[in-house]
Order: sequence, then C-alpha cells, then structure tokens
Amino acid sequence: GAGVSQSPSNKVTEKGKDVELRCDPISGHTALYWYRQSLGQGLEFLIYFQGNSAPDKSGLPSDRFSAERTGGSVSTLTIQRTQQEDSAVYLCASSLVWTGVITGELFFGEGSRLTVL
Amino acid sequence: DQQVKQNSPSLSVQEGRISILNCDYTNSMFDYFLWYKKYPAEGPTFLISISSIKDKNEDGRFTVFLNKSAKHLSLHIVPSQPGDSAVYFCAAKNNAGNMLTFGGGTRLMVKP
Repeated sequence: GAGVSQSPSNKVTEKGKDVELRCDPISGHTALYWYRQSLGQGLEFLIYFQGNSAPDKSGLPSDRFSAERTGGSVSTLTIQRTQQEDSAVYLCASSLVWTGVITGELFFGEGSRLTVL
Repeated sequence: DQQVKQNSPSLSVQEGRISILNCDYTNSMFDYFLWYKKYPAEGPTFLISISSIKDKNEDGRFTVFLNKSAKHLSLHIVPSQPGDSAVYFCAAKNNAGNMLTFGGGTRLMVKP
C-alpha cells in the first residue's frame, strides 16, 4: 500500500500475556520509529531503526519491551508479560533518511490500540 | 523532563475566527519544528514546519511563528473551519538526531 500499515488495529489481552505489534512502512523508507500514546498523554518515543539496526533504544520503558526489523522493512514490537500500564495506542512511523534528517517529517500509521485487562 | 510542552490541553474557537495554538521548548539544540494534526482513530499527519533559522512560515490558512529567544512557537489558523477540529501536536528535532520529540497535544474544537 501507499501508507504505513499497522496490525492489529485493536488488541485486547490479559495481564501477563505477550503481544506482538507489526508495522509495514512506506516502501523505500529506511527509517522507522515506534511511538506510543497513552490515554490523555502526548506521543512518547520508544525506538528508532535505521535499516535493520536500532541506534536509539532510549525510549523503551522496560526490558519487557523489544523490537526488531528485518529486511529493512517490516518491524515488530514485542511486549512481554504485559501490564495494565502498557495499555496505549502504539504508533509506527517511517521516513526517508534524507527527509527525516533535514525536515523531521514522519509518516504515521493509524496505530495499534492495546488494552491490557 | 518534558522538553516540548503544550500547556493548553484544549481550545474552543468559533468558525471563521483565528485559532492560536502554543508550544514551548527547553532544548536549545532543537533546529526544526513541526506541527502534526491528529483525527480520532487515525495517525498524526504532518501539517507545517519551520527551520530554526526562520521566524515565520506560511501555508494557506496555516502560519507557524518561531521566537527562538523565548523558545516558543505558535500555530495560527485563520479562518478556522469545523474540519480543523482535531488534536494538534507540536514536535521538535535536534540537530544531532533523527527522532522527533512531541508535546502533549492541544485539542482544537471549531464551533460552527
């Protein structure tokens, strides 16, 4: 597709379960970002990929969170042993490296809404 | 420590009037500022941006003003339209990195 695609769009899980969220960036975009938005909060940076490597993991809130990217394309964000405070909308964005460096413009997906019961 | 702050969580404006959304930042290394607009159940979309070497950028009904000495930027929408009702996020990029730092957002409601 033409835009950033995320799945699932909605996920309800029980506390303690693991979840995987998927992001398919815009074709040709080498930079990929994960952000999350908790209820009533702003966008919180989680992790950034340049190609398959993650030079900046500073935003991951705990070691229960991990992310990988393969083939310079699809990325998966994994949350292990989910907690209720993990409930949020997880947003993926991508950018052309050049555009991302100079202008900072990111192209966002519609997000994956995670609810932990 | 929030480096980008939007102190007004909401703003209500009459259709046809001017909407002014404000944003303050603390990091003097920020060199590029952007505004994103977000509708419910959608991802944020880019609206307008400004480089730190400028103090104003205009695109149609949208104008962004940057006051570097005050570390303050604002987004002006004139005239405001009901379709402008959304959450607006201010974001900033520093000259050493690729990530954007976002503010908490301001919900704009434009009343017909």
